Amino acid sequence: EPEVTQTPSHQVTQMGQEVILRCVPISNHLYFYWYRQILGQKVEFLVSFYNNEISEKSEIFDDQFSVERPDGSNFTLKIRSTKLEDSAMYFCASSSDYTGANVLTFGAGSRLTVL
Amino acid sequence: DQQVKQNSPSLSVQEGRISILNCDYTNSMFDYFLWYKKYPAEGPTFLISISSIKDKNEDGRFTVFLNKSAKHLSLHIVPSQPGDSAVYFCAASKAAGNKLTFGGGTRVLVKP
Repeated sequence: EPEVTQTPSHQVTQMGQEVILRCVPISNHLYFYWYRQILGQKVEFLVSFYNNEISEKSEIFDDQFSVERPDGSNFTLKIRSTKLEDSAMYFCASSSDYTGANVLTFGAGSRLTVL
Repeated sequence: DQQVKQNSPSLSVQEGRISILNCDYTNSMFDYFLWYKKYPAEGPTFLISISSIKDKNEDGRFTVFLNKSAKHLSLHIVPSQPGDSAVYFCAASKAAGNKLTFGGGTRVLVKP
């Protein structure tokens, strides 16, 4: 079964450092998303991406965050200067508009720990 | 912005019995409602969905019910199995390609 792949599975970084989280969405999907889950809290929407541009972003997704689809297969989330409160699980997801149910397929996540 | 709420943070049920998970929403523009299951250190996994034009959808042991007038949906799992022990998230979206808005989750423990 097709899956969304995320790397790294765990990254530890110092506050103020740049971090890039990588995702390979399902190949025939058109919509791409990043979500995060702070430990013990709900899964929060960050950004959605369609047709090579951001289609929607949340208040969390400020100027420190950016997304890119550099080569038609990868989808990256960059955090320019990490803060302690950026520590969370980051989930990439993708979807098509073929199912009629708006099912997002999620990756296993990248755990980011900011020290 | 609590557009999707799951008021029960946890649920404990005996193996073989029914698990009923509830979810409420406030945004009448939502068209699709989905349930996801999540194990620790894994991403959410899609379980079952329902569109706003239906009031019931069934897939094996899982049935989702939608009450649009009450802005309420529920997930029934019957019979419950120990492998069903996980966190279950209700989610909703406005249209295909739109973001999902998640509830806070309900942790289900199925006791053997």
